[in-house]
Amino acid sequence: DQQVKQNSPSLSVQEGRISILNCDYTNSMFDYFLWYKKYPAEGPTFLISISSIKDKNEDGRFTVFLNKSAKHLSLHIVPSQPGDSAVYFCAASATGGFKTIFGAGTRLFVKA
Amino acid sequence: DTGVSQDPRHKITKRGQNVTFRCDPISEHNRLYWYRQTLGQGPEFLTYFQNEAQLEKSRLLSDRFSAERPKGSFSTLEIQRTEQGDSAMYLCASSFWGPEETQYFGPGTRLLVL
Repeated sequence: DQQVKQNSPSLSVQEGRISILNCDYTNSMFDYFLWYKKYPAEGPTFLISISSIKDKNEDGRFTVFLNKSAKHLSLHIVPSQPGDSAVYFCAASATGGFKTIFGAGTRLFVKA
Repeated sequence: DTGVSQDPRHKITKRGQNVTFRCDPISEHNRLYWYRQTLGQGPEFLTYFQNEAQLEKSRLLSDRFSAERPKGSFSTLEIQRTEQGDSAMYLCASSFWGPEETQYFGPGTRLLVL
């Protein structure tokens, strides 16, 4: 039972353009959502998060959008840089719970 | 603070041997998590501690797996009688429990069972 789904295993984008990574969830109890970035042979690094009371959170080149009615969130990276090439994991949790559920990840390739 | 650290970073062992991994969390964090990650998948929850108490274990954690967090500081994950299916990246994360809890991960221990 995959509660957090990232349906695109990979994405290729030209340097300078926008990268859009998508994530869907099924559990309506989730109220906190996170994006992590992972380079090979390293642990995931926290990137940005959003609470369910918001629909947008921005941090520099990274913006996360949340559509609660569609149970969908997306991460926008503008402009994309070659150093952004990594695997991006979407994750979700519920207040009062203990589990953070991760998606399977999307591998982003940013071409110079 | 230098973040979450894990030791060793890599471990190669033969089937049937026991292995132990260590995780040192961010010092002020009271929660510590263990995850397993295999190729093409996201981190899968194994177990977690709040301070020194182990509060939940996944059904993925067979009887061959045991975790401890003495004194609520570092944690160890032991796998007894390793099997080839145990080969994976073992990740540790820590957090400060509260609303909008964010987990911070260590670099992981990559285990290869031959």
